[in-house]
Amino acid sequence: EIVLTQSPGTLSLSPGERATLSCRASQSLSSNYLAWYQQKPGQAPRLLIYGASSRATGISDRFSGSGSGTDFTLTISRLEPEDFAVYYCQQYGGSPPTFGQGTKLEIK
Amino acid sequence: QVQLQESGPGLVKPSGTLSLTCAVSGASISSSNWWSWVRQPPGKGLEWIGEIYHSGSPNYNPSLKSRVTISVDKSKNQFSLNLTSVTAADTAVYYCARLSGGRLHFDYWGQGTLVTVSS
Repeated sequence: EIVLTQSPGTLSLSPGERATLSCRASQSLSSNYLAWYQQKPGQAPRLLIYGASSRATGISDRFSGSGSGTDFTLTISRLEPEDFAVYYCQQYGGSPPTFGQGTKLEIK
Repeated sequence: QVQLQESGPGLVKPSGTLSLTCAVSGASISSSNWWSWVRQPPGKGLEWIGEIYHSGSPNYNPSLKSRVTISVDKSKNQFSLNLTSVTAADTAVYYCARLSGGRLHFDYWGQGTLVTVSS
């Protein structure tokens, strides 16, 4: 099973600042197999990024993904109030598909 | 617009069977997509339970494999989850989700349904 480790666990920032979230895989992944989701309280996860760097339909260009191998990054360029949520990375390069434990992005 | 909707009992007794159904609209369950169940215990992260293709070939998380059955009903455009011998550790929000073409990521999700295991 591929383990995904996200850091930091909690990130405290202010609106307008830049957020950088990390996801590290226990073994090398093709970029095709790495996705990012946003989850707000009481809601289902929402797909943000797939293939490590492609934005899903309707996702703001403030969100960008990068990385390869075992290290992947989600960047939010200028935080808006609605961006404060929990973010998960997910892989399906190996079965079972797994999720990271999440990074909570909170307002400072 | 693809929509998924979970339904089923919100309360299950310990040692009983959890049964949920996911109704799919805006897409055919016979399309070239896999369909999944994912769960999230209160305040915790996401765990993949399993997946199924319309031909009926399921795959399960090894950690749950002995207790899980996922099936598909093409006539009703829905798929279902059965989880047996439940304990309090199975209390969670259960989501159904569609895997993208290529089976790489989850592109559509249901709203989720909370199932509590308690006597």
